[in-house]
Amino acid sequence: QITLKESGPTLVKPTQTLTLTCTFSGFSLSTSGVGVGWIRQPPGKALEWLALIYWDDDKRYSPSLKSRLTITKDTSKNQVVLTMTNMDPVDTATYYCAHPYDYGDPTRFDYWGQGTLVTVSS
Amino acid sequence: QSALTQPASVSGSPGQSITISCTGTSSDVGSYNLVSWYQQHPGKAPKLMIYEGSKRPSGVSNRFSGSKSGNTASLTISGLQAEDEADYYCCSYAGSSTYVVFGGGTKLTVL
Repeated sequence: QITLKESGPTLVKPTQTLTLTCTFSGFSLSTSGVGVGWIRQPPGKALEWLALIYWDDDKRYSPSLKSRLTITKDTSKNQVVLTMTNMDPVDTATYYCAHPYDYGDPTRFDYWGQGTLVTVSS
Repeated sequence: QSALTQPASVSGSPGQSITISCTGTSSDVGSYNLVSWYQQHPGKAPKLMIYEGSKRPSGVSNRFSGSKSGNTASLTISGLQAEDEADYYCCSYAGSSTYVVFGGGTKLTVL
């Protein structure tokens, strides 16, 4: 059974760097074709895809946020970490990590974490 | 502003059918058959309902169907039920640079 869970701060100050961790079980990021992605959702607004990392360390980023995002994996810990620099109040959102079914379809997220709400405020 | 355009809201009565459109461009929806649809109830994580434009994951009701024509993908829900009331999002592959884009979401109200 695949599960994912996000963890990290609930409150960050403007200009700070956000670090979120996705801890998963039921699959391995050392297996060919496997990946983990991040998607966020501001309160009352739409989903926004952020980043995706694959088993072979291939990394993909949203073009509009690429300069601020870094995604890494720790295969031994079954974790994926997303960092976002220079946080702003507009980055206030629920951040989800999700499992794409396979490398062939990065839109097919078949398992999602519960999400973690991050508020950016001084 | 989201990359894919969806109507903000649609509504229908129980038993009726509704269709939600998702309009992209020749760089995303129009070029790839990799369109997924998600259902999201308030306070919950999204749930995959359709992938590859028209395929249903195991466990998803056959009342949900997807299609695509040109740059527009569509989600049809037939035999509306109260439990279908939720937000729906389309998602498309957009090539190796942009990679993944979501629509702005559609709120479905079952009257």
